[in-house]
Amino acid sequence: DAGVTQSPTHLIKTRGQQVTLRCSPKSGHDTVSWYQQALGQGPQFIFQYYEEEERQRGNFPDRFSGHQFPNYSSELNVNALLLGDSALYLCASSLRHANTEAFFGQGTRLTVV
Amino acid sequence: DAKTTQPTSMDCAEGRAANLPCNHSTISGNEYVYWYRQIHSQGPQYIIHGLKNNETNEMASLIITEDRKSSTLILPHATLRDTAVYYCIVRGLSGNTGKLIFGQGTTLQVKP
Repeated sequence: DAGVTQSPTHLIKTRGQQVTLRCSPKSGHDTVSWYQQALGQGPQFIFQYYEEEERQRGNFPDRFSGHQFPNYSSELNVNALLLGDSALYLCASSLRHANTEAFFGQGTRLTVV
Repeated sequence: DAKTTQPTSMDCAEGRAANLPCNHSTISGNEYVYWYRQIHSQGPQYIIHGLKNNETNEMASLIITEDRKSSTLILPHATLRDTAVYYCIVRGLSGNTGKLIFGQGTTLQVKP
């Protein structure tokens, strides 16, 4: 089992650009959540996708958007990048309607210059 | 989701038990206590979770007080590889298993 895989592992973008991050959930999982982790802080919930729809959203601006595909994989898109968007972006997968834990990927380190 | 309070940092000698406390005084009856840890620059790793009974798995034990207002994660024989940030999270299960609210966590330093 490959677990949760994220790509790319590292990325450098210029302020104002757009970025797309990708996540493949653990086999059998149908729900994907995205988190942003700034240096020295705990992960902050961005949003969650289930059945190809955004189900919950944290306190993040509309510049952050996502998508879930029929195979349950997901993308996180960030438009008009700001320096403050530099962070580790984590994807977590889980099985909805089940008392099970969420599994995290290793994250994508985004640096905005 | 209930908030949790954890010490900022703790030290533990290698081979000894590490006991990490967590206060969650506002926890409600249908909320679980989850523990995750994050080793430097990696994604968080699930450790254990429980509702009201004590739980044990191959990684750790979770002791929840009878009033459920606090809990302790026990790593029975800490190794240097257990050095990490440990997060205590309280979460309900209303058909939604993805959202986790992380605090600052406890940085555990295991020393030789």
